[in-house]
Amino acid sequence: EIVLTQSPATLSLSPGESATLSCRASQNVNRYLAWYQQKPGQAPRLVIYDASNRATGIPARFSGSGSGTDFTLTISSLEPEDFAVYYCKQRGEWPATFGGGTKVEI
Amino acid sequence: EVQLVESGGGLVKPGGSLRLSCIGSGFTFSSYSMNWVRQAPGKGLEWVSSISRGSDYIYYADSMKGRFTISRDNAKNSLYLQLNSLRADDTAVYYCARGLNDIVHDAFDIWGQGTMVTVSS
Repeated sequence: EIVLTQSPATLSLSPGESATLSCRASQNVNRYLAWYQQKPGQAPRLVIYDASNRATGIPARFSGSGSGTDFTLTISSLEPEDFAVYYCKQRGEWPATFGGGTKVEI
Repeated sequence: EVQLVESGGGLVKPGGSLRLSCIGSGFTFSSYSMNWVRQAPGKGLEWVSSISRGSDYIYYADSMKGRFTISRDNAKNSLYLQLNSLRADDTAVYYCARGLNDIVHDAFDIWGQGTMVTVSS
């Protein structure tokens, strides 16, 4: 199965700063990578799909890039509601797999 | 409002069974693939199973194959997950999630609130 490695595990930043999250796949997943945001006690929320497409209702400060094995989620200016755990997930091959997550904390 | 609501979780002994349900509303349920994802306490997300719109294509994570069965009833806007031979490491919140488009292997754009399954003697 394809292993997704997210880095860093924790990102400590302040509101207004920019966040850069990385997701590396053990094999080529083309652009079939999504990013999810999860806050404590809540279900995950789709942020980015197919590497760079923002999901419905996601602010423009969120952007995704990458293809093949290396992907990046960028949050250009952190708002208080952006502090959460972010997971990447690939659909390039079965089984679908998630990365271990990056916690963005204040 | 587009919504998914899970039910059926609870406390079960090792080796026991449970059936989870997920009801969709606010969208044409039969037009979307559906999925189950779980999250053990304090851990990350783990994909469990996916089913196509017409149930033609079904996929499972290897660790659940043979023990879990996904199904759907489009007339009832419902998704199910039958859990058999449960083990302690199946303890998790189980989420149902809608596929973004009509293909079975897709991003998950709508999630339910989750239902907790606890396997313990």
